[in-house]
Amino acid sequence: LAKTTQPISMDSYEGQEVNITCSHNNIATNDYITWYQQFPSQGPRFIIQGYKTKVTNEVASLFIPADRKSSTLSLPRVSLSDTAVYYCLVGSRNTDKLIFGTGTRLQVFP
Amino acid sequence: KAGVTQTPRYLIKTRGQQVTLSCSPISGHRSVSWYQQTPGQGLQFLFEYFSETQRNKGNFPGRFSGRQFSNSRSEMNVSTLELGDSALYLCASSLDWSYEQYFGPGTRLTVT
Repeated sequence: LAKTTQPISMDSYEGQEVNITCSHNNIATNDYITWYQQFPSQGPRFIIQGYKTKVTNEVASLFIPADRKSSTLSLPRVSLSDTAVYYCLVGSRNTDKLIFGTGTRLQVFP
Repeated sequence: KAGVTQTPRYLIKTRGQQVTLSCSPISGHRSVSWYQQTPGQGLQFLFEYFSETQRNKGNFPGRFSGRQFSNSRSEMNVSTLELGDSALYLCASSLDWSYEQYFGPGTRLTVT
């Protein structure tokens, strides 16, 4: 299963768009990509999930290029409350493997 | 709708002891997964139960085991505790494998 790599940390300011990229070079055909947000002392919270191209919901967009070797979580107009750790997850529908990325610590400044 | 609950929230055990952690999933969710989170290894998948059967398993030794009851509640057991088992243990429930997972707050286990 794909090994996932993320930047360790990112800084942004309120109102800006933030893009966090996850690399998963060995992703398999049937693997899907999910992003989670985690605040201190809490469990991760689902943000978005996708398989290919682009997925958008009320809080984020997920861009997956054709080769699927990476994916980008896009957070529009971040606020202070978006300060958290963001994890990408590559999972397989056909096997029992789930691989979380190392997490990206996003700090949003006023 | 009530979220995923985990008990206890904090636990301190001695090396060599065993421990049992409990997880109550969201009503209607039949899939329950367990994860270990440590600063060094990050989030690692332990196993997943569905309809009282272990369906998927991560790469952890046999000291880590679990079970699921008919009401979908799940327990995780760690025997012969080691110092390296100190971690945050997270439970997540979902409608099925690969669906959106809802995580509980976790149980923080400290082994001394």
